[in-house]
Amino acid sequence: SQQGEEDPQALSIQEGENATMNCSYKTSINNLQWYRQNSGRGLVHLILIRSNEREKHSGRLRVTLDTSKKSSSLLITASRAADTASYFCATAGAGKSTFGDGTTLTVKP
Amino acid sequence: NAGVTQTPKFQVLKTGQSMTLQCAQDMNHEYMSWYRQDPGMGLRLIHYSVGAGITDQGEVPNGYNVSRSTTEDFPLRLLSAAPSQTSVYFCASRKPQGPGELFFGEGSRLTVL
Repeated sequence: SQQGEEDPQALSIQEGENATMNCSYKTSINNLQWYRQNSGRGLVHLILIRSNEREKHSGRLRVTLDTSKKSSSLLITASRAADTASYFCATAGAGKSTFGDGTTLTVKP
Repeated sequence: NAGVTQTPKFQVLKTGQSMTLQCAQDMNHEYMSWYRQDPGMGLRLIHYSVGAGITDQGEVPNGYNVSRSTTEDFPLRLLSAAPSQTSVYFCASRKPQGPGELFFGEGSRLTVL
């Protein structure tokens, strides 16, 4: 089974609104990462948060991590049509990373 | 800097045929891995390697074989293709040190008839 599970599976919003995606995981982690996948393309790394961090920002992205609940959230502020993509959380172990099933975000112009 | 290169991008096979998906990276990354992605789903790990000569199984290894003779290359072999192996395959690499950011290829779309 997947280490990470994203919620919701699909999210549709208007341009300019904020988008929040959640991820739950099962085992202890050193860090949690978020990736983006445009349709038909490979995944691209967005942001990483370490287990001793609670919040991290990068541009319009904000990631939070709650290790007591084994959960993380990704917030995209002031969304744009170009943010339309699938977003995945991943946890990294020795030599391998495990991904959730992703959240498909649609931003309507 | 090409990053991670996968070939072919598209392939159609008949049941029972064999083929090799190629993956090469030019970043001198020790860690390489193969994932498959089925429609509407996340990535499932097939095989991975922590360095030349070392490979290990992931979550869904059956029907696939890998070898790692060089740091740069990590081919994935389908021994006898089955329709259940119709999927998009992604190769990824990362440095052994550091937080573990993966660099992905653009994927290989395989259809098994």
